[in-house]
Amino acid sequence: GQNIDQPTEMTATEGAIVQINCTYQTSGFNGLFWYQQHAGEAPTFLSYNVLDGLEEKGRFSSFLSRSKGYSYLLLKELQMKDSASYLCAVSTGTYKYIFGTGTRLKVLA
Amino acid sequence: GAVVSQHPSRVICKSGTSVKIECRSLDFQATTMFWYRQFPKQSLMLMATSNEGSKATYEQGVEKDKFLINHASLTLSTLTVTSAHPEDSSFYICSALDRETSYEQYFGPGTRLTVT
Repeated sequence: GQNIDQPTEMTATEGAIVQINCTYQTSGFNGLFWYQQHAGEAPTFLSYNVLDGLEEKGRFSSFLSRSKGYSYLLLKELQMKDSASYLCAVSTGTYKYIFGTGTRLKVLA
Repeated sequence: GAVVSQHPSRVICKSGTSVKIECRSLDFQATTMFWYRQFPKQSLMLMATSNEGSKATYEQGVEKDKFLINHASLTLSTLTVTSAHPEDSSFYICSALDRETSYEQYFGPGTRLTVT
């Protein structure tokens, strides 16, 4: 079967660094996405990895290892507004996407 | 950045009635749009993939006669929930693929449907 695993919840302190892990087992792989979703709102795109390695975009970085079926999202200099759910999603083929259940991140002052 | 709108943002309807949700890409052309539903504290579940000018492709377990999808133009897709029941109450989210990049999904703001 196809499976994406993420921790359910994480807590971190304002100004700190947090790493959210995602492991996947899918029948195909066309890329991995990270989205941020605030409660009651639609997801917003954060990053896209299709090759192994680290992609950095401001305070957010995303890493991919295809051989290990593993990715992480790294958030630096955490701010209160970063409190949200972070969704890992894998494109398994043309127009095929599977989403993880999301990691709810709580940033404490 | 690319913008996708959804209308209405919230709708309450009585059991047995039908509800139409619109999804529009405002500043780009989307050959492909997706419809998801999301239950509280759960992730997005893909319901169907909608390609402009052709029939939608439904995921396993999604009733195509209950969730009617029309993608009449490159900027508009509609989802009609027919004969809605309380268990259809959910957050429905559409997304659109920018035909230029073809991999990044732009999500609409979602529609909260409550069936009483």
